[in-house]
Amino acid sequence: QQQVKQSPQSLIVQKGGISIINCAYENTAFDYFPWYQQFPGKGPALLIAIRPDVSEKKEGRFTISFNKSAKQFSLHIMDSQPGDSATYFCAARQAGNMLTFGGGTRLMVKP
Amino acid sequence: GAGVSQTPSNKVTEKGKYVELRCDPISGHTALYWYRQSLGQGPEFLIYFQGTGAADDSGLPNDRFFAVRPEGSVSTLKIQRTERGDSAVYLCASSGTPLAGGEQFFGPGTRLTVL
Repeated sequence: QQQVKQSPQSLIVQKGGISIINCAYENTAFDYFPWYQQFPGKGPALLIAIRPDVSEKKEGRFTISFNKSAKQFSLHIMDSQPGDSATYFCAARQAGNMLTFGGGTRLMVKP
Repeated sequence: GAGVSQTPSNKVTEKGKYVELRCDPISGHTALYWYRQSLGQGPEFLIYFQGTGAADDSGLPNDRFFAVRPEGSVSTLKIQRTERGDSAVYLCASSGTPLAGGEQFFGPGTRLTVL
């Protein structure tokens, strides 16, 4: 059972544009929602995270929007740069335990 | 080093062989996690240690997989009688206490190829 669904699978954005990646979850016990960035041959790196008592969190060009009632959250990358080209994973965590990851979004930012 | 380290970075083995994958967590992190990432997919949870004990091993696919963390720091993932379907990148992550945020920091992974 896929508990975290991520879309789109791939995304192409022009430099300076906004990249938007969406995730939906099923388990209402999840209490922490991080986003990870992964470059080829590297491990996932924590980008930004949010807890369900907050509807939005912004760090630099990265913003998470969280809709608890819809059980959805999204990552917005403003002013996307070629260096942002990577695979992005949303995830959800239950009670300090393991992360459940989405399937990933391969982002390409064209110069 | 400051981050999570994993050795070896690559491991090629033959079907039926035994392999060990090592993880060195961030110093002071009490929690340690193993995940498996198949090509083009998100990481999947295998096992979670809190200190020396396995707090949750529900993600281990079968009894060929086993992991230890005898002194509460370094962990070893052991795979017996490897199968071609075990080929994947095995990721290790560690985290501090929930009060410190509990964020999981990942190592670079070990790419296992079973021929």
